[in-house]
Amino acid sequence: GDSVTQMEGPVTLSEEAFLTINCTYTATGYPSLFWYVQYPGEGLQLLLKATKADDKGSNKGFEATYRKETTSFHLEKGSVQVSDSAVYFCALSDQGYSTLTFGKGTMLLVSP
Amino acid sequence: NAGVTQTPKFRILKIGQSMTLQCTQDMNHNYMYWYRQDPGMGLKLIYYSVGAGITDKGEVPNGYNVSRSTTEDFPLRLELAAPSQTSVYFCASSYSRQGSQETQYFGPGTRLLVL
Repeated sequence: GDSVTQMEGPVTLSEEAFLTINCTYTATGYPSLFWYVQYPGEGLQLLLKATKADDKGSNKGFEATYRKETTSFHLEKGSVQVSDSAVYFCALSDQGYSTLTFGKGTMLLVSP
Repeated sequence: NAGVTQTPKFRILKIGQSMTLQCTQDMNHNYMYWYRQDPGMGLKLIYYSVGAGITDKGEVPNGYNVSRSTTEDFPLRLELAAPSQTSVYFCASSYSRQGSQETQYFGPGTRLLVL
């Protein structure tokens, strides 16, 4: 079945550092790929998405490119802020009823 | 526009008790979902619904039941609570179009502790 693997956390960075969170996936079809973010005490919210190979999703300075050849969707940001501290989930959705398969999540901690 | 709302925010149950987690959305979405999130794990799909009167099992449906009598509401029922059901439960909804591109909108979650 479908699966998503993310790098383990926590990832600890200083403000303005470069961020990469790795995500790879296994899927039988041609999934859409998502990054969701969960701030402390809140539900998940969509950060960005990409629906086909070589698409780049971007939002709030975060970017991720759908790489079919490496089955990856790594999340990057050039300069993180303290307010980016959260848990980041990589997910995929198959061609069915938009059900999502999630990775385990990566906690990001940014210090001033 | 409240989005997806869930009640209660937190609940403690004794083993064997039953309860219903409520979920309501006001975005006129046909698709709705229930997930559970265990510590250090991603979210696992429990049940989902593609419209009123239509529900289907997800990855971890055992111990749960759902119903969907209206577009807005998608309650999740625990009949005989067990410690393994201690988790955070998230309800989500998405626009009604079959395919894989739709964004899911999540509620704030219900934290359940079974003792």
